[in-house]
Amino acid sequence: IAGITQAPTSQILAAGRRMTLRCTQDMRHNAMYWYRQDLGLGLRLIHYSNTAGTTGKGEVPDGYSVSRANTDDFPLTLASAVPSQTSVYFCASSEGPTDTQYFGPGTRLTVL
Amino acid sequence: GEDVEQSLFLSVREGDSSVINCTYTDSSSTYLYWYKQEPGAGLQLLTYIFSNMDMKQDQRLTVLLNKKDKHLSLRIADTQTGDSAIYFCAERAQAGTALIFGKGTTLSVSS
Repeated sequence: IAGITQAPTSQILAAGRRMTLRCTQDMRHNAMYWYRQDLGLGLRLIHYSNTAGTTGKGEVPDGYSVSRANTDDFPLTLASAVPSQTSVYFCASSEGPTDTQYFGPGTRLTVL
Repeated sequence: GEDVEQSLFLSVREGDSSVINCTYTDSSSTYLYWYKQEPGAGLQLLTYIFSNMDMKQDQRLTVLLNKKDKHLSLRIADTQTGDSAIYFCAERAQAGTALIFGKGTTLSVSS
């Protein structure tokens, strides 16, 4: 069982380019999340999905979009990347009464 | 709005106990969590505590919750160099909502 996988591991991207970060989980969790982690700011929620077919905005959604066509996949798209989107991106999923979140290994994105 | 605060750094010697503190603002929090992040890795759940509990112990880890003061602590007994990491406190205010994380406490363990 892999848990949560993210791809790519790291990416350097020119500003203005479109980029999709992939996230797949095999735990059949209903809820999934995207966070970005920046030094001194901790983790900030970008978008979330409580179940397949639904999504919601988090604390910092601007410049990002998500889709949830099925339970397992939750891709994050940057339509036109900007340098301020340089960050480490974590995908997470959760299930059960404790809502414990399980995290992927992260994608390190650099926008030049 | 909800907020979770942690001190940014803690430095201890190997073998000593470490205590990482966290305060939160939402009195309706149901579960509170501690996560560990090692360099270059994702967050790993260490433990959680339900809001009607005062204490939870799991091997070297002890979590204390003071609901009146909205204060949560994580004590690591016999701290080892492998415990060096960033520790995040998080709260879940209502069922079905995302977690709110603190900014993380960097624990440095020297031998």
